[in-house]
Amino acid sequence: GAGVSQSPRYKVTKRGQDVALRCDPISGHVSLYWYRQALGQGPEFLTYFNYEAQQDKSGLPNDRFSAERPEGSISTLTIQRTEQRDSAMYRCASSPMDTEAFFGQGTRLTVV
Amino acid sequence: GIQVEQSPPDLILQEGANSTLRCNFSDSVNNLQWFHQNPWGQLINLFYIPSGTKQNGRLSATTVATERYSLLYISSSQTTDSGVYFCAVGRDGGSQGNLIFGKGTKLSVKP
Repeated sequence: GAGVSQSPRYKVTKRGQDVALRCDPISGHVSLYWYRQALGQGPEFLTYFNYEAQQDKSGLPNDRFSAERPEGSISTLTIQRTEQRDSAMYRCASSPMDTEAFFGQGTRLTVV
Repeated sequence: GIQVEQSPPDLILQEGANSTLRCNFSDSVNNLQWFHQNPWGQLINLFYIPSGTKQNGRLSATTVATERYSLLYISSSQTTDSGVYFCAVGRDGGSQGNLIFGKGTKLSVKP
């Protein structure tokens, strides 16, 4: 596609529910990244993939967070048993191969 | 880990004025990007500039990697330039995509 596409744009969920956030990268981009941005802060790295291989997941805050990219294109970030502290903007980015990153519009997650 | 400091944290300009935003970083980098987060929350790429100088219309950027800083110049500012400007770096030896963001400079351009 023309840009990185994320869905849903907004998600409100109840505490304890699981959520899945989707990212469709720019066509042909090898690398895909997930970031989380709290209000008034810069984005913070969560994890990234080259093709379907998860290269670095050091930024995932705990084992409730996981990500996959099974066919090397679309990626899903899953948060299990959501907590209020998980509320944030979740941003996905892609790059041709570990170079300049282009960001999607993000998913605003609110846990109530 | 690598530290990224941006200054000033806040900036108010009259339309038509020029400004310089600064980004200091504490270690060698293999990636440096400037982004503009507009009032709708969209993060827009301005420059990919791990070293050297680039210009794009009213904006230009310079990175002096050996001295560990980058500057973003905005000339003849417009109200549409308002928003938060982020500098983000990738640590040398690490993944270029594992970007460390500064806290941003919040720019308000008044008509």
